[in-house]
Amino acid sequence: EPEVTQTPSHQVTQMGQEVILRCVPISNHLYFYWYRQILGQKVEFLVSFYNNEISEKSEIFDDQFSVERPDGSNFTLKIRSTKLEDSAMYFCASKGGGYYEQYFGPGTRLTVT
Amino acid sequence: AQSVTQPDIHITVSEGASLELRCNYSYGATPYLFWYVQSPGQGLQLLLKYFSGDTLVQGIKGFEAEFKRSQSSFNLRKPSVHWSDAAEYFCAVGAPLGGSYIPTFGRGTSLIVHP
Repeated sequence: EPEVTQTPSHQVTQMGQEVILRCVPISNHLYFYWYRQILGQKVEFLVSFYNNEISEKSEIFDDQFSVERPDGSNFTLKIRSTKLEDSAMYFCASKGGGYYEQYFGPGTRLTVT
Repeated sequence: AQSVTQPDIHITVSEGASLELRCNYSYGATPYLFWYVQSPGQGLQLLLKYFSGDTLVQGIKGFEAEFKRSQSSFNLRKPSVHWSDAAEYFCAVGAPLGGSYIPTFGRGTSLIVHP
């Protein structure tokens, strides 16, 4: 069964550094998403991406964040200057056309020290 | 804006016992409703979803949920719990947005299964 993959599984970075989290969505999907889950808290929506542009973003997704689909298979989340409070599990998800389920990847645990 | 409340942070059941996880939502129209399960170190797996139609929804792994509009609830049930069901369970409500939807998640309920 096709699945969403994410790399790396765990990323440790120093405060102020840039990180890029990578996702490979399911190949024929059209909608792409990033979510985060701070330890012990609920999963929060960050951004959705469709037709090569951001379609919706939350208040969390400020100027420090950006997303890109650099080629036909990858979907990336960049954090320009990481803060301690960016430490979280980041989930990528993708969805086909229509109102169907979003498929989630296994997540990247980001630790900012 | 939509919101989800999962009133139970932890639920402990014995293996073989029945299970009900509570979920209440707030949304102005007919919502899309979901239950996800997250095992340790894993991503979110969809158990079941409600978009429209029959209010009793069957999902994977023997789970079911019932949408009750009058109570704004979407409780998850399983008649007989297995030890492998121990995990974190998230209820989510989604508002339609173009050809997509953005789910709002509850805080989750941690299920502990005793042998």
